[in-house]
Amino acid sequence: NAGVTQTPKFRVLKTGQSMTLLCAQDMNHEYMYWYRQDPGMGLRLIHYSVGEGTTAKGEVPDGYNVSRLKKQNFLLGLESAAPSQTSVYFCASSFHLSTDTQYFGPGTRLTVL
Amino acid sequence: AQTVTQSQPEMSVQEAETVTLSCTYDTSESDYYLFWYKQPPSRQMILVIRQEAYKQQNATENRFSVNFQKAAKSFSLKISDSQLGDAAMYFCAYRISTSGTYKYIFGTGTRLKVLA
Repeated sequence: NAGVTQTPKFRVLKTGQSMTLLCAQDMNHEYMYWYRQDPGMGLRLIHYSVGEGTTAKGEVPDGYNVSRLKKQNFLLGLESAAPSQTSVYFCASSFHLSTDTQYFGPGTRLTVL
Repeated sequence: AQTVTQSQPEMSVQEAETVTLSCTYDTSESDYYLFWYKQPPSRQMILVIRQEAYKQQNATENRFSVNFQKAAKSFSLKISDSQLGDAAMYFCAYRISTSGTYKYIFGTGTRLKVLA
């Protein structure tokens, strides 16, 4: 039981490049989330999903797109990376929103030059 | 405004002693959930404790307990018998549901150092 895994762990992009971050969970959770964490700030929710085939905007969705084609996977895409998107990205999942115990992945450190 | 304030950027505690991390929040919602997460150097966020706002009884998890004061919008975390493994960043957060969407608001964190 791996829990929540994120791929890749580190990535460096040039401005304007695109990439996709992959989040996978093997706990059969319905809900999945993408956060970013910047120095001196708490986590901020980018997008989330309440089930396969659904996505919703969080607090800071601009510049990102997401997809949840399979229940166990939640993809975060950057179409045209900007230096302001340099951050650590965390994926999380939870079984049920009402119980709301989120399980986090180890994070992806993204640098945009 | 929906905010979470952790006024202590850094705290230190002697091993085996007790420490309290403070957290205040601001929301106009009456129904919400509160959390404390721990982030060790490995960066992975780990849930420490959660509290439903409608419950008056303070949540406890082994050595971790909270002091939830709903009227004051305060949610402090007490760590008893501190251990070296407790050293980490601690984040306070809450979740609300508004018009069918969900918001998670995190504080900026408190770095806890445990001294041997």
